[in-house]
Amino acid sequence: KAGVTQTPRYLIKTRGQQVTLSCSPISGHRSVSWYQQTPGQGLQFLFEYFSETQRNKGNFPGRFSGRQFSNSRSEMNVSTLELGDSALYLCASSLALAGLGDTQYFGPGTRLTVL
Amino acid sequence: GQNIDQPTEMTATEGAIVQINCTYQTSGFNGLFWYQQHAGEAPTFLSYNVLDGLEEKGRFSSFLSRSKGYSYLLLKELQMKDSASYLCAVGNMLTFGGGTRLMVKP
Repeated sequence: KAGVTQTPRYLIKTRGQQVTLSCSPISGHRSVSWYQQTPGQGLQFLFEYFSETQRNKGNFPGRFSGRQFSNSRSEMNVSTLELGDSALYLCASSLALAGLGDTQYFGPGTRLTVL
Repeated sequence: GQNIDQPTEMTATEGAIVQINCTYQTSGFNGLFWYQQHAGEAPTFLSYNVLDGLEEKGRFSSFLSRSKGYSYLLLKELQMKDSASYLCAVGNMLTFGGGTRLMVKP
Protein backbone atom coordinates (compact mmCIF):
# COMPACT_ATOMS: atom_id res chain seq x y z
CA LYS A 1 0.00 0.00 0.00
CA ALA A 2 1.44 3.36 -1.01
CA GLY A 3 2.17 5.84 1.75
CA VAL A 4 1.17 9.46 2.08
CA THR A 5 2.54 11.57 -0.75
CA GLN A 6 3.07 15.30 -0.84
CA THR A 7 3.88 17.60 -3.72
CA PRO A 8 5.96 19.52 -4.31
CA ARG A 9 8.78 18.46 -2.00
CA TYR A 10 10.55 21.80 -2.16
CA LEU A 11 9.29 25.27 -2.94
CA ILE A 12 10.80 28.74 -2.96
CA LYS A 13 8.52 31.76 -2.95
CA THR A 14 8.83 35.46 -2.24
CA ARG A 15 6.96 37.52 0.31
CA GLY A 16 3.43 38.42 -0.72
CA GLN A 17 2.98 35.46 -3.04
CA GLN A 18 0.63 32.60 -2.40
CA VAL A 19 1.29 28.87 -2.46
CA THR A 20 -0.73 25.66 -2.74
CA LEU A 21 0.52 22.37 -1.36
CA SER A 22 -0.97 19.00 -2.15
CA CYS A 23 -1.36 15.82 -0.14
CA SER A 24 -2.60 12.38 -1.20
CA PRO A 25 -3.49 10.15 1.75
CA ILE A 26 -3.08 6.43 2.09
CA SER A 27 -5.78 4.64 0.11
CA GLY A 28 -8.89 4.24 2.26
CA HIS A 29 -7.94 6.95 4.74
CA ARG A 30 -10.55 9.67 5.04
CA SER A 31 -8.84 12.09 7.39
CA VAL A 32 -6.05 14.44 6.40
CA SER A 33 -4.33 16.74 8.87
CA TRP A 34 -1.80 19.45 8.16
CA TYR A 35 1.08 20.54 10.38
CA GLN A 36 3.74 23.21 10.28
CA GLN A 37 7.15 22.30 11.64
CA THR A 38 9.82 24.86 12.46
CA PRO A 39 12.95 24.59 14.63
CA GLY A 40 11.60 27.14 17.09
CA GLN A 41 7.96 26.10 17.39
CA GLY A 42 8.13 22.39 16.74
CA LEU A 43 5.21 20.59 15.15
CA GLN A 44 2.04 22.68 15.17
CA PHE A 45 -1.40 21.60 14.09
CA LEU A 46 -3.00 23.60 11.26
CA PHE A 47 -6.26 21.82 10.47
CA GLU A 48 -7.88 18.47 9.89
CA TYR A 49 -10.28 17.47 7.14
CA PHE A 50 -12.58 14.48 7.14
CA SER A 51 -15.09 13.69 4.40
CA GLU A 52 -14.43 17.05 2.73
CA THR A 53 -15.25 19.02 5.90
CA GLN A 54 -12.87 20.85 8.16
CA ARG A 55 -13.26 19.21 11.56
CA ASN A 56 -10.59 20.93 13.62
CA LYS A 57 -8.53 24.06 13.22
CA GLY A 58 -5.37 25.16 15.00
CA ASN A 59 -4.33 28.63 16.00
CA PHE A 60 -3.15 30.00 12.67
CA PRO A 61 -4.25 33.16 10.82
CA GLY A 62 -6.84 33.08 8.07
CA ARG A 63 -4.08 33.24 5.45
CA PHE A 64 -3.81 29.50 5.98
CA SER A 65 -6.65 27.57 4.43
CA GLY A 66 -7.32 24.12 3.10
CA ARG A 67 -9.78 21.86 1.42
CA GLN A 68 -10.39 18.20 0.82
CA PHE A 69 -11.75 16.57 -2.30
CA SER A 70 -14.12 13.65 -2.65
CA ASN A 71 -11.19 11.25 -3.19
CA SER A 72 -9.74 12.44 0.18
CA ARG A 73 -6.84 14.27 -1.43
CA SER A 74 -6.22 17.57 0.28
CA GLU A 75 -4.66 20.91 -0.53
CA MET A 76 -3.57 23.69 1.72
CA ASN A 77 -3.10 27.27 0.62
CA VAL A 78 -1.11 30.05 2.19
CA SER A 79 -1.79 33.54 0.88
CA THR A 80 0.29 36.70 1.27
CA LEU A 81 3.38 34.76 2.31
CA GLU A 82 5.55 36.07 5.12
CA LEU A 83 9.16 35.24 5.95
CA GLY A 84 7.95 33.43 9.05
CA ASP A 85 5.98 30.97 6.94
CA SER A 86 9.22 29.27 5.95
CA ALA A 87 8.83 25.78 7.36
CA LEU A 88 8.33 22.12 6.67
CA TYR A 89 4.65 21.45 6.01
CA LEU A 90 3.62 17.92 6.84
CA CYS A 91 0.38 16.21 6.12
CA ALA A 92 -0.80 13.07 7.85
CA SER A 93 -3.63 10.70 7.05
CA SER A 94 -5.69 8.38 9.21
CA LEU A 95 -8.70 6.14 8.78
CA ALA A 96 -10.84 8.15 11.19
CA LEU A 97 -10.45 11.44 12.99
CA ALA A 98 -6.91 11.75 14.33
CA GLY A 99 -7.99 13.41 17.53
CA LEU A 100 -10.14 10.45 18.46
CA GLY A 101 -7.14 8.22 18.82
CA ASP A 102 -6.63 6.96 15.31
CA THR A 103 -3.02 6.57 14.24
CA GLN A 104 -1.71 9.14 11.81
CA TYR A 105 0.78 8.38 9.05
CA PHE A 106 2.89 11.26 7.87
CA GLY A 107 4.02 12.21 4.40
CA PRO A 108 7.58 13.34 3.63
CA GLY A 109 6.62 17.01 3.81
CA THR A 110 7.00 20.08 1.63
CA ARG A 111 9.89 22.36 2.48
CA LEU A 112 8.73 25.95 1.86
CA THR A 113 11.25 28.77 1.81
CA VAL A 114 9.99 32.35 1.67
CA LEU A 115 12.51 34.96 0.53
CA GLY B 1 -5.99 24.45 26.12
CA GLN B 2 -3.20 21.95 25.89
CA ASN B 3 0.35 21.98 27.14
CA ILE B 4 3.00 19.30 26.74
CA ASP B 5 6.48 19.22 28.26
CA GLN B 6 9.39 17.02 27.27
CA PRO B 7 13.12 17.32 27.90
CA THR B 8 14.85 18.98 24.98
CA GLU B 9 17.84 16.67 24.69
CA MET B 10 19.11 13.41 26.13
CA THR B 11 22.26 11.41 25.58
CA ALA B 12 22.67 7.70 26.18
CA THR B 13 25.13 4.91 25.40
CA GLU B 14 24.64 2.14 22.88
CA GLY B 15 23.19 -0.94 24.56
CA ALA B 16 21.79 1.02 27.50
CA ILE B 17 18.19 1.87 28.49
CA VAL B 18 16.76 5.37 28.30
CA GLN B 19 13.48 6.81 29.55
CA ILE B 20 11.96 9.87 27.87
CA ASN B 21 9.30 11.61 29.94
CA CYS B 22 6.30 13.59 28.80
CA THR B 23 3.92 15.56 31.02
CA TYR B 24 0.75 17.05 29.65
CA GLN B 25 -2.27 19.15 30.47
CA THR B 26 -5.20 18.82 28.14
CA SER B 27 -8.87 19.71 28.16
CA GLY B 28 -9.82 16.59 26.24
CA PHE B 29 -7.94 13.31 26.33
CA ASN B 30 -8.28 10.61 23.71
CA GLY B 31 -4.97 8.92 24.27
CA LEU B 32 -1.30 9.74 24.02
CA PHE B 33 0.89 9.05 21.02
CA TRP B 34 4.64 8.69 20.67
CA TYR B 35 6.33 9.36 17.35
CA GLN B 36 9.94 9.02 16.23
CA GLN B 37 11.44 11.51 13.82
CA HIS B 38 14.87 11.13 12.28
CA ALA B 39 16.54 14.31 11.08
CA GLY B 40 15.13 15.40 7.74
CA GLU B 41 12.41 12.76 7.77
CA ALA B 42 8.71 12.62 8.62
CA PRO B 43 7.53 11.41 12.04
CA THR B 44 6.69 7.71 12.27
CA PHE B 45 4.24 6.17 14.72
CA LEU B 46 5.69 4.30 17.70
CA SER B 47 2.93 3.77 20.24
CA TYR B 48 -0.49 4.76 21.50
CA ASN B 49 -1.74 4.62 25.11
CA VAL B 50 -5.30 5.32 26.09
CA LEU B 51 -5.48 3.36 29.37
CA ASP B 52 -3.14 3.55 32.33
CA GLY B 53 -0.25 1.16 32.32
CA LEU B 54 2.59 -0.11 30.22
CA GLU B 55 2.41 -1.07 26.55
CA GLU B 56 5.36 -3.08 25.31
CA LYS B 57 6.39 -3.39 21.69
CA GLY B 58 9.75 -5.00 21.18
CA ARG B 59 12.56 -2.78 22.43
CA PHE B 60 10.13 0.10 22.95
CA SER B 61 7.60 0.46 25.78
CA SER B 62 5.30 3.32 26.65
CA PHE B 63 3.66 4.05 29.98
CA LEU B 64 0.69 6.26 30.80
CA SER B 65 -0.75 7.65 34.02
CA ARG B 66 -3.85 9.71 33.22
CA SER B 67 -4.32 10.92 36.80
CA LYS B 68 -0.81 12.36 36.82
CA GLY B 69 -0.83 13.63 33.23
CA TYR B 70 2.36 11.70 32.66
CA SER B 71 3.81 9.32 30.14
CA TYR B 72 7.20 7.91 29.34
CA LEU B 73 8.81 6.11 26.45
CA LEU B 74 11.33 3.45 27.39
CA LEU B 75 13.93 2.36 24.86
CA LYS B 76 15.96 -0.74 25.66
CA GLU B 77 19.15 -2.12 24.12
CA LEU B 78 19.81 1.21 22.45
CA GLN B 79 21.19 1.19 18.95
CA MET B 80 22.86 3.98 17.01
CA LYS B 81 19.85 4.15 14.70
CA ASP B 82 17.70 5.17 17.68
CA SER B 83 19.31 8.62 17.52
CA ALA B 84 16.30 10.74 16.63
CA SER B 85 13.70 13.10 18.06
CA TYR B 86 10.87 11.56 20.04
CA LEU B 87 7.56 13.42 20.09
CA CYS B 88 4.60 12.88 22.35
CA ALA B 89 1.17 14.15 21.32
CA VAL B 90 -2.28 14.39 22.90
CA GLY B 91 -5.62 16.00 22.38
CA ASN B 92 -8.44 16.31 19.97
CA MET B 93 -6.32 18.45 17.70
CA LEU B 94 -3.22 16.38 18.35
CA THR B 95 -0.94 18.81 20.09
CA PHE B 96 2.69 17.77 19.90
CA GLY B 97 5.37 18.40 22.45
CA GLY B 98 8.58 20.07 21.31
CA GLY B 99 10.26 16.69 21.04
CA THR B 100 13.23 15.14 22.81
CA ARG B 101 16.37 14.80 20.73
CA LEU B 102 18.09 11.58 21.72
CA MET B 103 21.74 11.07 20.88
CA VAL B 104 23.08 7.54 21.19
CA LYS B 105 26.85 7.33 21.57
CA PRO B 106 29.06 4.27 21.05
